[in-house]
Amino acid sequence: GIQVEQSPPDLILQEGANSTLRCNFSDSVNNLQWFHQNPWGQLINLFYIPSGTKQNGRLSATTVATERYSLLYISSSQTTDSGVYFCAVFYTGGFKTIFGAGTRLFVKA
Amino acid sequence: KAGVTQTPRYLIKTRGQQVTLSCSPISGHRSVSWYQQTPGQGLQFLFEYFSETQRNKGNFPGRFSGRQFSNSRSEMNVSTLELGDSALYLCASSLQGHEETQYFGPGTRLLVL
Repeated sequence: GIQVEQSPPDLILQEGANSTLRCNFSDSVNNLQWFHQNPWGQLINLFYIPSGTKQNGRLSATTVATERYSLLYISSSQTTDSGVYFCAVFYTGGFKTIFGAGTRLFVKA
Repeated sequence: KAGVTQTPRYLIKTRGQQVTLSCSPISGHRSVSWYQQTPGQGLQFLFEYFSETQRNKGNFPGRFSGRQFSNSRSEMNVSTLELGDSALYLCASSLQGHEETQYFGPGTRLLVL
């Protein structure tokens, strides 16, 4: 089945710093998503990015589908960025989303 | 438009009991999926429903079951609870034909004692 791997598993940043989170996936996919899970457990959609680059404020994401990876960039990090970031792939044949293990981010004030 | 809602938000049960969790999707969304999140196993797919039909089921024992009603609301049931069933249970909904974009509810935190 499809494997989704994320790195790093944990990340501690000083407020204002930039970071890059990586997601590798095992098979050719065309429907990659990034989520942020806040400390209360809510999963929030950040990007649906099967390929190319998208930006939303201080966040941007790039997916290179041919090389089977995606990157999430966080610039000028804030304490509210803390939480767990997941990348996920939707398996069309099974109507299910396969999640990576997540990157746990803590931004210090 | 209201988001995905889940009830109850928190639940404490004891081993051997059963539990029913409820999920109301975003208006117009007919696909509902359930996921279990634990520290050890991460986010794992439980099942997906569309038009009251289960289209797929994850690798969970038969104690885990679900259903969907004609108004797209969904319930999941766990019978004979075990300590390992303690988890955050997340529900997601999506539009027909756009199931790759899922919107998640706030989850139900279940603690089994």
